[in-house]
Amino acid sequence: EAQVTQNPRYLITVTGKKLTVTCSQNMNHEYMSWYRQDPGLGLRQIYYSMNVEVTDKGDVPEGYKVSRKEKRNFPLILESPSPNQTSLYFCASSLSITGIHEQYFGPGTRLTVT
Amino acid sequence: GQNIDQPTEMTATEGAIVQINCTYQTSGFNGLFWYQQHAGEAPTFLSYNVLDGLEEKGRFSSFLSRSKGYSYLLLKELQMKDSASYLCAPRAVGGSYIPTFGRGTSLIVHP
Repeated sequence: EAQVTQNPRYLITVTGKKLTVTCSQNMNHEYMSWYRQDPGLGLRQIYYSMNVEVTDKGDVPEGYKVSRKEKRNFPLILESPSPNQTSLYFCASSLSITGIHEQYFGPGTRLTVT
Repeated sequence: GQNIDQPTEMTATEGAIVQINCTYQTSGFNGLFWYQQHAGEAPTFLSYNVLDGLEEKGRFSSFLSRSKGYSYLLLKELQMKDSASYLCAPRAVGGSYIPTFGRGTSLIVHP
């Protein structure tokens, strides 16, 4: 089944404790992206990747890192999480960002930082 | 950058028709996506418009006017399961072609 998976789905952590949220897609998509979603603010892009070893900042990159060593995986790293990073996070992938290719979203990771 | 405006919330009755509007301002334009998102779930793709006019897909249709910076999503024969948030996402021409999401319109369908 074609899908985007994220792990963990739920995470409660403390300020400053490094964490990684994994994202994997099995559709051989070139483009991958991370979003955070907060009430009243909608989906905001954190980082994106056009292809392997090509990553770039989105609209709200501060406090996050990403890597794209393989086509299928695009982990999101929070080196020192803070309470303002409490949010619902979505990973997405698309065959390509050009053309009419839609994004497929993972199920989401609900992160709470205390 | 892009300015995207959608109503925050709408209510409608089961079986009715509802139109969700989206206006946008972009430095260029290369298509507009609509996504549906049920509470606590991931967004799912509904439609894509790049040329002016109406695209129909079953009970859902999407309209685009590039000159007016305007799109709408039309939902017919509303069902309770259509209660969700609807996200408008225009895409700028050139640069990275990445769509920017509006804040979404929460649609509540009641019996």
